[in-house]
Amino acid sequence: AQSVTQLDSQVPVFEEAPVELRCNYSSSVSVYLFWYVQYPNQGLQLLLKYLSGSTLVESINGFEAEFNKSQTSFHLRKPSVHISDTAEYFCAVSRGSTLGRLYFGRGTQLTVWP
Amino acid sequence: EAGVAQSPRYKIIEKRQSVAFWCNPISGHATLYWYQQILGQGPKLLIQFQNNGVVDDSQLPKDRFSAERLKGVDSTLKIQPAKLEDSAVYLCASSLTENQPQHFGDGTRLSIL
Repeated sequence: AQSVTQLDSQVPVFEEAPVELRCNYSSSVSVYLFWYVQYPNQGLQLLLKYLSGSTLVESINGFEAEFNKSQTSFHLRKPSVHISDTAEYFCAVSRGSTLGRLYFGRGTQLTVWP
Repeated sequence: EAGVAQSPRYKIIEKRQSVAFWCNPISGHATLYWYQQILGQGPKLLIQFQNNGVVDDSQLPKDRFSAERLKGVDSTLKIQPAKLEDSAVYLCASSLTENQPQHFGDGTRLSIL
């Protein structure tokens, strides 16, 4: 069975500071990994994904995440955050055979202060 | 490309009443998912459809929840009768195939009084 642990429920940071949102997973099979972002009263939007290949994946708005198989982690980072990055971030995994069913972590609320 | 459409956006009912949610996936998407997101938690899969067939409903409380996707396009999720613990956001997602990333609707926020 898959499980996802997001170690921090809330992360407050000041604008232009770096941030890391942590995600660890447990799985007996190979997995695909995702980060989704959820703005208030909206659905989830795919931020970035790791399927195979390079362990470092990047999004178009400056976020990046690195798949670390030995540590079973997929932490999300951004070197300089903006107020508009304030949102809930969810880490998710799916089985290695298909992308289908997603198992989500509890979420991390990122709040960026001016 | 139009996104995943869900209605209603909000619903308030009393316990033991019935409620239904509707989802229209992105055109051409064969796979459709319903998730339940309780406050403070991540979404949890309730049911997955491939066209009009059920792929996975292992987490669906079948004594009170039902879902259908009769023509393989839009889908309805029903709760009958509702309990207080059903208060949550119900998210619909779709993907082109089971092996493609999911696109989510804005959800239906259900409050049970």
